[in-house]
Amino acid sequence: QQQVKQSPQSLIVQKGGIPIINCAYENTAFDYFPWYQQFPGKGPALLIAIRPDVSEKKEGRFTISFNKSAKQFSLHIMDSQPGDSATYFCAAIRGRQLTFGSGTQLTVLP
Amino acid sequence: ETGVTQSPTHLIKTRGQQVTLRCSSQSGHNTVSWYQQALGQGPQFIFQYYREEENGRGNFPPRFSGLQFPNYSSELNVNALELDDSALYLCASSRQGDTEAFFGQGTRLTVV
Repeated sequence: QQQVKQSPQSLIVQKGGIPIINCAYENTAFDYFPWYQQFPGKGPALLIAIRPDVSEKKEGRFTISFNKSAKQFSLHIMDSQPGDSATYFCAAIRGRQLTFGSGTQLTVLP
Repeated sequence: ETGVTQSPTHLIKTRGQQVTLRCSSQSGHNTVSWYQQALGQGPQFIFQYYREEENGRGNFPPRFSGLQFPNYSSELNVNALELDDSALYLCASSRQGDTEAFFGQGTRLTVV
């Protein structure tokens, strides 16, 4: 059972573009929603996270938008750079367990 | 402050064998979680350890087992390896009660 659905599976943008990655969850018991960035051969690294009582959070070029009623949240990357090319995972936390989405492979063209 | 380290980085085993993977948690972290990441997929939660006790388990069979030691390092053991066990195994450490988990670089296990 996939509790966190992520789309798109892959995304290609030009440098300076704003890629948007979307996630939807089913379990309303989730209480924290992080995004992770993973480069090939590396473990996931926390980018930014949000609690469900907040509708938007910005950290540098990364913004999470959260819609609690729709049970959806998204990651926006402003002024994307080739160095942002990686796989991005949304996740949801209930208790101590992270449930990950299936990932989005982002390519930022120079 | 040292990060999460895992060993070995790569491993090849034969179907039916047993394997032990190791994880040293980040300094000050007392909780360790293990995840399995199949190629092209998101990590799947295996289990978590806190104070040397299993503290939550995902949908994995009993042949996946673990240990946590007094220094908070941890082992993941997998018995009777199957081809589908081929994956990247990730360890994450955190402080109990914290939501932020820090991942190691993973162990790439290939079962042939």
